[in-house]
Amino acid sequence: DIQMTQSPSFLSASVGDRVTLSCKASQNINKYLAWYQQKLGEAPKLLIYNANSLQTGIPSRFSGSGSGTDFTLTISSLQPEDVATYFCLQHNSWFTFGSGTKLEIK
Amino acid sequence: QIQLVQSGPELKKPGESVKISCKASGYTFTDYAMNWVKQAPGNGLKWMGWINTQTGKPTYADDFKQRFVFSLETSASTAYLQINNLNIEDTATYFCTRGDYWGQGVMVTVSS
Repeated sequence: DIQMTQSPSFLSASVGDRVTLSCKASQNINKYLAWYQQKLGEAPKLLIYNANSLQTGIPSRFSGSGSGTDFTLTISSLQPEDVATYFCLQHNSWFTFGSGTKLEIK
Repeated sequence: QIQLVQSGPELKKPGESVKISCKASGYTFTDYAMNWVKQAPGNGLKWMGWINTQTGKPTYADDFKQRFVFSLETSASTAYLQINNLNIEDTATYFCTRGDYWGQGVMVTVSS
């Protein structure tokens, strides 16, 4: 089974900061990776698919990069509405979610 | 617009069964597989499996091969998740998703 490791588990940053979240796969998943944002009490929302493609309607401050085993989600300028937990999901072999990064405003 | 609308919260006793629904609208139901995802309180997301909406064939993740049943009512563009012989560890929110769109989730509480 493919394991997905996200880091950090918790991140506190200031409005306007550039924020980088990491997701590492236990084996090569090519670019079969998505990023989701989940706000408290809501369903997850797709942000990025195929590692670096921005889902329609998602602000351009969100971007994804990586391939193989190492992936990154970047928020170029953190906004208050970005407070959420962020999950990565691999779909190269079955489906596995990472454990999430909880992002708060400092 | 595309929507996945799930049924309401459930309170069940251990040993009972529950069947929750996911009604799709705004797209051709059989064009996309339907996945089910579990989120236990305060925990992350766990993929349960998926159902082929063209053939009705379900595929279950290893932890969900017993007691869990995916089904369809294609004429109603609706997918179902049934959980049999409920136990306390089944207390969670269950989401249906086609990947890019998600239902709002159904909170299932199992308590004696």
